[in-house]
Amino acid sequence: DIVMTQSPTSMSISVGDRVTMNCKASQNVGSNVDWYQQKTGQSPKLLIYKASNRYTGVPDRFTGSGSGTDFTFTISNMQAEDLAVYYCMQSNSYPWTFGGGTKLELK
Amino acid sequence: QVQLKESGPVLVQASETLSLTCTVSGFSLTNYGVIWVRQPPGKGLEWMGIIWRNGNTDYNSALKSRLSINRDTSKSQVFLKMNSLQTDDTAIYYCTRERGAYWGQGVMVTVSS
Repeated sequence: DIVMTQSPTSMSISVGDRVTMNCKASQNVGSNVDWYQQKTGQSPKLLIYKASNRYTGVPDRFTGSGSGTDFTFTISNMQAEDLAVYYCMQSNSYPWTFGGGTKLELK
Repeated sequence: QVQLKESGPVLVQASETLSLTCTVSGFSLTNYGVIWVRQPPGKGLEWMGIIWRNGNTDYNSALKSRLSINRDTSKSQVFLKMNSLQTDDTAIYYCTRERGAYWGQGVMVTVSS
């Protein structure tokens, strides 16, 4: 199975910060990586698909990049409503696999 | 609009079989696949398997021996069955439409020993 390693596991941030998190695949997954946001008590929400494509209605402060084994997710201007856990997921090979998540907390 | 809703028992005894239903609306199961994902309390997400628009299935190899996913297209329902449950199968079980844009609210299933 492909292992998706997310880093860091948590971040203490302030409103207005630029936030960058990473996801590293144990083997080449092409551009088949999606990013999800999960707020406490809610279902995951798709933000980015195919590594760099913003889903409909997602604010442009959310961006994704990367291909192959290394992927980056950035929030350019952190808002309070962005506090959540963020997951990457690869859909290149079965079983599709999620990273362990990066939790954003207020400093 | 597109909706998915999971239903099933909230408490299951260890060694028994879990049966969950995902009822969808706003789209046809012959046009989109449906995926099952679970999340143990306080932990991350685990992809369980998918039933594709053509009815084919793919499963997480770690669960494959215990898991089956089927559907009834006339009722817009997808079914998950997993046998030989253990306490570490306690989780929120979600169904989501292929490509991940739409998710159900999830159903919390507790496996009791």
